[in-house]
Amino acid sequence: ETGVTQTPRHLVMGMTNKKSLKCEQHLGHNAMYWYKQSAKKPLELMFVYNFKEQTENNSVPSRFSPECPNSSHLFLHLHTLQPEDSALYLCASSFGTGSGQPQHFGDGTRLSIL
Amino acid sequence: RKEVEQDPGPFNVPEGATVAFNCTYSNSASQSFFWYRQDCRKEPKLLMSVYSSGNEDGRFTAQLNRASQYISLLIRDSKLSDSATYLCVVTAGNAGGTSYGKLTFGQGTILTVHP
Repeated sequence: ETGVTQTPRHLVMGMTNKKSLKCEQHLGHNAMYWYKQSAKKPLELMFVYNFKEQTENNSVPSRFSPECPNSSHLFLHLHTLQPEDSALYLCASSFGTGSGQPQHFGDGTRLSIL
Repeated sequence: RKEVEQDPGPFNVPEGATVAFNCTYSNSASQSFFWYRQDCRKEPKLLMSVYSSGNEDGRFTAQLNRASQYISLLIRDSKLSDSATYLCVVTAGNAGGTSYGKLTFGQGTILTVHP
């Protein structure tokens, strides 16, 4: 259904745990993104990768660590998260990062921090 | 001032109604504009791009007013399946800067179409 696949769909973790979110796109895109969506707030861009290189870090705390081994895969490594990090984490991809390029989103990972 | 501002609604309309959403943006250098749709607990999906001359896609019409930094979406003959959150999205036109092409989302307008 969607060319952008995210796993897991749901994740519950304690504040001391370490986990990773995975995103894979099958659209031949070369740019990938992580967004955070909290209740009643706009989507917030976290990271941008273009051809595997990080081009934007939107002042994200270091407890979130992205990894992009190739243009089709993107990870978000999580450690010592806080309760306020509970949110929907969305991955997106596009043909490049130029203005005018629409982004295609995955289903998201719904993260709950205990 | 928020970068992209939308009336959060909710808008509750009967089937067949015409409904319009408005959006304003603060960055005058913005170059590209989109409407995305997000169903409950699902990912955002591109509904349509917004062009300077205005554009139409079936029952949906998008308008852009650069002078007023204002975008609109008109839905005619509303269907039950149109119920969703509609996201106004803007990209900066800061060519050469890292913000080039970065999508900035409004908080969304909730639409509920009832029988």
